[in-house]
Amino acid sequence: GQQLNQSPQSMFIQEGEDVSMNCTSSSIFNTWLWYKQDPGEGPVLLIALYKAGELTSNGRLTAQFGITRKDSFLNISASIPSDVGIYFCAGRARGGTSYGKLTFGQGTILTVHP
Amino acid sequence: SQTIHQWPATLVQPVGSPLSLECTVEGTSNPNLYWYRQAAGRGLQLLFYSVGIGQISSEVPQNLSASRPQDRQFILSSKKLLLSDSGFYLCAWSVAGGGEQFFGPGTRLTVL
Repeated sequence: GQQLNQSPQSMFIQEGEDVSMNCTSSSIFNTWLWYKQDPGEGPVLLIALYKAGELTSNGRLTAQFGITRKDSFLNISASIPSDVGIYFCAGRARGGTSYGKLTFGQGTILTVHP
Repeated sequence: SQTIHQWPATLVQPVGSPLSLECTVEGTSNPNLYWYRQAAGRGLQLLFYSVGIGQISSEVPQNLSASRPQDRQFILSSKKLLLSDSGFYLCAWSVAGGGEQFFGPGTRLTVL
């Protein structure tokens, strides 16, 4: 089946630093999504990508859909303490079934030191 | 706008007791609905999905079942809980065939 490798598994950074994380897939995806989960809450959708090469920003967040359709990255600029949480990538396979099944990465735990 | 609700927020149950978790969605019609389990704050495991009333597909064999009695209601159940059923249960919805899924606040289940 499809697998998503998300890295790094965890990051410890200083406030103000930039952050980069990525996901790679063994299969081609036609949709990439990035979520953030705060402790004890459900994941919140940050950015959705639908086209190979697409670069999309949401405030300090920027995500790109890889040209090969098998990878995506998320960058966070000038991190702040409220960026702390778990970040998940998720992909929907090309030609996926109608119910829109997503494959999730294992998450990147981000810790920001003030 | 669409909203998704889950209850209860937390639940502590003894081994062997029944379970019923409820998820409801507002502001949309004919959504796809999903149940996920998350263990130890990492990794989302898809348990069930539904594309319509009474239509349930199971992703993994387990001690749980799901039902969709109404268009915007999704229920996760068990007749007898196991210790291994402990975890954080998340409900999500998407438009029919859509890739973007939107999650509820989750239910923390502890089985003792």
